[in-house]
Amino acid sequence: NAGVTQTPKFRVLKTGQSMTLLCAQDMNHEYMYWYRQDPGMGLRLIHYSVGEGTTAKGEVPDGYNVSRLKKQNFLLGLESAAPSQTSVYFCASSSSGRSYNEQFFGPGTRLTVL
Amino acid sequence: AQRVTQPEKLLSVFKGAPVELKCNYSYSGSPELFWYVQYSRQRLQLLLRHISRESIKGFTADLNKGETSFHLKKPFAQEEDSAMYYCALVVASGSRLTFGEGTQLTVNP
Repeated sequence: NAGVTQTPKFRVLKTGQSMTLLCAQDMNHEYMYWYRQDPGMGLRLIHYSVGEGTTAKGEVPDGYNVSRLKKQNFLLGLESAAPSQTSVYFCASSSSGRSYNEQFFGPGTRLTVL
Repeated sequence: AQRVTQPEKLLSVFKGAPVELKCNYSYSGSPELFWYVQYSRQRLQLLLRHISRESIKGFTADLNKGETSFHLKKPFAQEEDSAMYYCALVVASGSRLTFGEGTQLTVNP
């Protein structure tokens, strides 16, 4: 099993450009999450999904959109990239919403917005 | 809203010395607490959770509800423990993790 995979691994954008980050998991998990990691700020939740066809806002959702058309995929979109969105993005999944379940993380996508 | 604070951004110890990574939280209910670790060039992974009361790689963490703390401890640090450590909290009603700022641990030879 590949676990959680993310595409692409690196990306450089110019201000105003758009892009989509893809997260895929092969563990049949119901829950999926997108975080951003910034120095000194830890990981902050952008959006999450509790099942196919559902999404919800996290702590820092502005400037991002998501879609969960298939259970195994969770897409994060930036419609008009800004330098403040330069970050490392992590996707994660878990088997249910029960609080003691473990979240499994992808390898991350390093995004630079010039 | 819940919050997790890790007061030390950087922590450096020598091999064989005890190490304690501090974690404090604010939440009025009964949260679940976790420690996640990210080794160099590896993905973030769960180290331990308080509900399991387990010791992983020699690390332990005790939930102190009176002090609202969940400090991570190891009596004898090893060089391979060098990594970024995140304390995280989940409120009882959901699965959303709230992370602290992280502590970069360096164990020197």
